[in-house]
Amino acid sequence: ILNVEQSPQSLHVQEGDSTNFTCSFPSSNFYALHWYRWETAKSPEALFVMTLNGDEKKKGRISATLNTKEGYSYLYIKGSQPEDSATYLCAAPGYSSASKIIFGSGTRLSIRP
Amino acid sequence: GAGVSQSPSNKVTEKGKDVELRCDPISGHTALYWYRQSLGQGLEFLIYFQGNSAPDKSGLPSDRFSAERTGGSVSTLTIQRTQQEDSAVYLCASSAEGGSYEQYFGPGTRLTVT
Repeated sequence: ILNVEQSPQSLHVQEGDSTNFTCSFPSSNFYALHWYRWETAKSPEALFVMTLNGDEKKKGRISATLNTKEGYSYLYIKGSQPEDSATYLCAAPGYSSASKIIFGSGTRLSIRP
Repeated sequence: GAGVSQSPSNKVTEKGKDVELRCDPISGHTALYWYRQSLGQGLEFLIYFQGNSAPDKSGLPSDRFSAERTGGSVSTLTIQRTQQEDSAVYLCASSAEGGSYEQYFGPGTRLTVT
């Protein structure tokens, strides 16, 4: 059974600071790694889906890297803004490319103005 | 294009009643998921449909919960004999195929059992 783990569980960052957090997953039978942003009272929205080792994706001030050989992905936020406050979830397919994705428990990010 | 839609957006029901929640996925998406978020909790997987395969029901919390997906499109989540602990936001998501494709979430149904 795939175990997707995220750390830290929560993070408080000063506005303007940069931050990053981690998602780890089993490196065997890798198919894809997803990142989602989940704002309070809203539904999760996809940020990135990454499939290749060494992938780096960027959307505005948010970027992510992927290391499939060692089984981790980092999400970076540059120059944090209050609107970045959310729970960030990563997820990966369980045992095949068609299987359901397994979500980590998330990193809850709070930006202090 | 149209996203994932869910209905109703809010549902208040009395303990012991049955409820049905509906999800309309994005057209052409073969994968459909149901999740729920209880107050203060994270995303809890309930059930997964992928094409014509047997659904993965491993997340359903009890036999009071069931779901169907008709014609590979619309899905209905049914909760029988509702209990107060069933109160939660129920989210539906769809994706183009299975786990390698991003999920698109609906706005959710907030269920309150009184």
